[in-house]
Amino acid sequence: GAGVSQSPSNKVTEKGKDVELRCDPISGHTALYWYRQSLGQGLEFLIYFQGNSAPDKSGLPSDRFSAERTGGSVSTLTIQRTQQEDSAVYLCASSFLGSNQPQHFGDGTRLSIL
Amino acid sequence: KNEVEQSPQNLTAQEGEFITINCSYSVGISALHWLQQHPGGGIVSLFMLSSGKKKHGRLIATINIQEKHSSLHITASHPRDSAVYICAALRAYNTDKLIFGTGTRLQVFP
Repeated sequence: GAGVSQSPSNKVTEKGKDVELRCDPISGHTALYWYRQSLGQGLEFLIYFQGNSAPDKSGLPSDRFSAERTGGSVSTLTIQRTQQEDSAVYLCASSFLGSNQPQHFGDGTRLSIL
Repeated sequence: KNEVEQSPQNLTAQEGEFITINCSYSVGISALHWLQQHPGGGIVSLFMLSSGKKKHGRLIATINIQEKHSSLHITASHPRDSAVYICAALRAYNTDKLIFGTGTRLQVFP
């Protein structure tokens, strides 16, 4: 069966441009998570969704970052007016709802801001 | 001080050695995850546990809720076990937010 799919796998863009990252969760997974891993740094929580709603957006670094999820499935993470410090690997994970459910990770999108 | 601390940060071992990676946390949790990140970057969930002990092949994870401590053990280590191992605490109370440790980089030499 298909795992969590993220696209693009790599994105290089100029500072100031907007970027959109996509995550296709495992079918049936109600919960969806976005994380970020900067070079040499640990993983950092950004936002998570239960269905289409986001109960916890506390990890979004600034108002340039936003995320949405439609139809309880695909999610997009949008970064507006990108800055060099946004360069990182953006990881998506999904799970069935419930705190006892393991999270399944995608391979990530490597974002490089020139 | 980080809410989730791992030790050691780096670990080297000879093939066949028994390996232990430790994780301590200071927040209330509903569960604790152990993740493996391969050199290529992919992350695999190894264990999720809220009490006791779990075993999968050569991997064993234990957690002591009272002491807020978990360990990941690898028996008969192999070079293919070389990876970064990450402990992540799932906060209790109305959130599914994971708080990550900084990871332990393990290298197993033949």
